[in-house]
Amino acid sequence: KNEVEQSPQNLTAQEGEFITINCSYSVGISALHWLQQHPGGGIVSLFMLSSGKKKHGRLIATINIQEKHSSLHITASHPRDSAVYICAVYHNTDKLIFGTGTRLQVFP
Amino acid sequence: DAGVIQSPRHEVTEMGQEVTLRCKPISGHDYLFWYRQTMMRGLELLIYFNNNVPIDDSGMPEDRFSAKMPNASFSTLKIQPSEPRDSAVYFCASSFLGGGYGYTFGSGTRLTVV
Repeated sequence: KNEVEQSPQNLTAQEGEFITINCSYSVGISALHWLQQHPGGGIVSLFMLSSGKKKHGRLIATINIQEKHSSLHITASHPRDSAVYICAVYHNTDKLIFGTGTRLQVFP
Repeated sequence: DAGVIQSPRHEVTEMGQEVTLRCKPISGHDYLFWYRQTMMRGLELLIYFNNNVPIDDSGMPEDRFSAKMPNASFSTLKIQPSEPRDSAVYFCASSFLGGGYGYTFGSGTRLTVV
């Protein structure tokens, strides 16, 4: 079993829909990253959080340390949000443990 | 800031040849990470450095892979000899304070070994 699990693996949506991607982890962590990877490969760190909630534009990330769960929400989704979203956690070291990613496609 | 700079962007080489990938981290970052991404295995950490010192190389696949960081502004990942199974996208990333602050990935090097 992976230490970091994401769901769903694949997600399609119509433009404007509210999207939620979930991440559950089984280890103690010091922080969690949400990463975005567009087709063509570049990886961008969207958020790093260790508690509570962060918001940036249409993106919101939440984390519940007790439940070992984080969610990434996208409001008013747009085709340019189409990408792979990756959850990654820091567990006791400086190394990230990655989830397998959620492939999101938003259609006009 | 130009971000993390990797070169080359694409590399095609024949099996058995030596391949060198290069990375310039963001100035002031004290951590540098090398990752490999494949369809089958996703993102895998190969090695990381703190203040130019290799801290954990347990992800390096085998002796054919080596990495160096001679100074704070430059690192290399070398594969010698290369094999077709080494074909992947190799990412470099840097951060400061270790906890991932300012965590920034380079654009990656797409390596194809034929």
